[in-house]
Amino acid sequence: DSGVTQTPKHLITATGQRVTLRCSPRSGDLSVYWYQQSLDQGLQFLIQYYNGEERAKGNILERFSAQQFPDLHSELNLSSLELGDSALYFCASSETGGFSEKLFFGSGTQLSVL
Amino acid sequence: AQSVAQPEDQVNVAEGNPLTVKCTYSVSGNPYLFWYVQYPNRGLQFLLKYITGDNLVKGSYGFEAEFNKSQTSFHLKKPSALVSDSALYFCAVRDMRNDKIIFGKGTRLHILP
Repeated sequence: DSGVTQTPKHLITATGQRVTLRCSPRSGDLSVYWYQQSLDQGLQFLIQYYNGEERAKGNILERFSAQQFPDLHSELNLSSLELGDSALYFCASSETGGFSEKLFFGSGTQLSVL
Repeated sequence: AQSVAQPEDQVNVAEGNPLTVKCTYSVSGNPYLFWYVQYPNRGLQFLLKYITGDNLVKGSYGFEAEFNKSQTSFHLKKPSALVSDSALYFCAVRDMRNDKIIFGKGTRLHILP
């Protein structure tokens, strides 16, 4: 068990809808990362937060947004969902977001857009 | 631009034989390199990292990786493969200049009994 908790584990929704994915980092970790994993694109970096502030941004669509709250949990909001958004979404955390730190990954949220 | 390439989608190795999973990278600054493993229905788990120092780094489960600056490679190796090593392996690079961690597409390793 990595100590990173993601909810829900599975999510099935329809095109055009909006969903929220939740992540609780490992106790004491200040930095949270979001990744999207799909068969054709592999593991794509979306965004990183450190202690509530956005730190790095990857290939995150404008329809997607994220935030990290004062208690350090994070949420990834996906809106106007399309079929192509179906993927496994991972959250990871690290102690301070330092360059040499390893990431601890949650088990992911499997999103299916029908 | 920062990138990571894993040229093999799948690698098959007989149990007991040595294994190599290849990774090459491109960054604008000094690289921080990582290997992660993903078992079915699980998140990624850290195996090892190269930051600086010895080019050969040792990690979990008997894995090691060799950093080669001239070839911009960071291949994962193990002297004797186990069936339980069968999983999806990801190479990742972190570029100090833009603070992103980029993963390769992954290599599926099959260890044949």
